[in-house]
This record gives sequence, structure tokens and C-alpha cells, in this order.
Amino acid sequence: DAGVTQSPTHLIKTRGQHVTLRCSPISGHKSVSWYQQVLGQGPQFIFQYYEKEERGRGNFPDRFSARQFPNYSSELNVNALLLGDSALYLCASSLSGGPREQFFGPGTRLTVL
Amino acid sequence: GQQVMQIPQYQHVQEGEDFTTYCNSSTTLSNIQWYKQRPGGHPVFLIQLVKSGEVKKQKRLTFQFGEAKKNSSLHITATQTTDVGTYFCAGLLTGGGNKLTFGTGTQLKVEL
Repeated sequence: DAGVTQSPTHLIKTRGQHVTLRCSPISGHKSVSWYQQVLGQGPQFIFQYYEKEERGRGNFPDRFSARQFPNYSSELNVNALLLGDSALYLCASSLSGGPREQFFGPGTRLTVL
Repeated sequence: GQQVMQIPQYQHVQEGEDFTTYCNSSTTLSNIQWYKQRPGGHPVFLIQLVKSGEVKKQKRLTFQFGEAKKNSSLHITATQTTDVGTYFCAGLLTGGGNKLTFGTGTQLKVEL
């Protein structure tokens, strides 16, 4: 079975631009979470979606938004990019919205110049 | 806000030596998960602990959850080069759904 997939793998943007990152969960998984991982630090929770509804939001500005589609795939949008948004963006899927094992995708490496 | 700290930040060991990383939360956790991230890779789930005082073993790895559910530890016996990576604990608050708060991580290097 395919694992969690994310696209694109790498992305270079300039300050002020916006970006859309995509995630496809493992088949049968209904929950998708997004994390930001800055080099040398642990992943920071951004959003969780379950059954197309937002179930949790981390301490990120409103420039960050996300949504989940009927097929449970998800998009993370970041507007007005800042240099500090440069990071590895990880998507994780799990079977349900509760506290369960999360399966992480390979991530999207975003560089903001 | 909730903080989850891990010590040590780095650990270099000789192959065959034991290794322990400690995780401490500023607030009580409903459960705790452990993940391993290899260099250039993504976090991979190792285990979840739910009960106060719980101890679980996976081959050479032993995981403990503190009695107060505010701390945890991971102990690796007789490290191998395949154990190289960063080990993260990640805590879940009671009623917090699946919002994981990751610890600061412990980077393990194993030398022959």
C-alpha cells in the first residue's frame, strides 16, 4: 500500500508570494495533520482535519490555512510568505481524529528567498 | 503554552553502549508517543503510552511513562549503527484530539 504522499518535494518562493502544498493520506485514513519543522527542531503542529472539518489549530498566524477534500486529501496554503516560513512541511495521516499513530509523509521543503 | 523538553539534546555513543533520552512536559498528558527521524527523513512512529507508570518494550527499546503522566523516557540497550537518528517524544493533551506537541528531540550518533 502507498504511504502518505506530498507534493511538491521542494519549492522555492520569494517573500510575499503564496504557496499551496498538497497531501494524500494513506487509503482509509480520514484524518490529516500538518506540521512545520524548522531545521534542528521538532515538528510544530499547524492544523488537523478530520472528515473535512478542522479539529485543531496550532499557534500559527492567519496567513496559514488548510482544507480537506471529500477524498480526504488536503491542502495547506500559506499567504504573504516570510523568510521565517522556510521549513520542512510535513503531512501526517491517521485512521481517526483521536490519539492514534500518525503516519508522516516525506514532506515538502519550502525555501523563501 | 505547553512545552515538551527533552534531554540530552545530543548523544554520541560507541556501538554497544546504552542510550537514554528523557522527555518532560510542563502539563499532564493524556498519552505520549515516540517517533524516530533519520537524517533527511520523516518521523516514524515507534510507540504510544497511555497509562500512568506504563512500561513497554520493543526488542532493545524500553519506553516508560511517568506516574504523574508528565514525563517519559526511551532507553536503548546495546546501541547499533542503525539506531542513528533523532528521537522525539510527542505529547497529547487530554481532550486535545490528535494535536501532538513534539519535544525538542535527542540526536543520537553511534560510532563503531
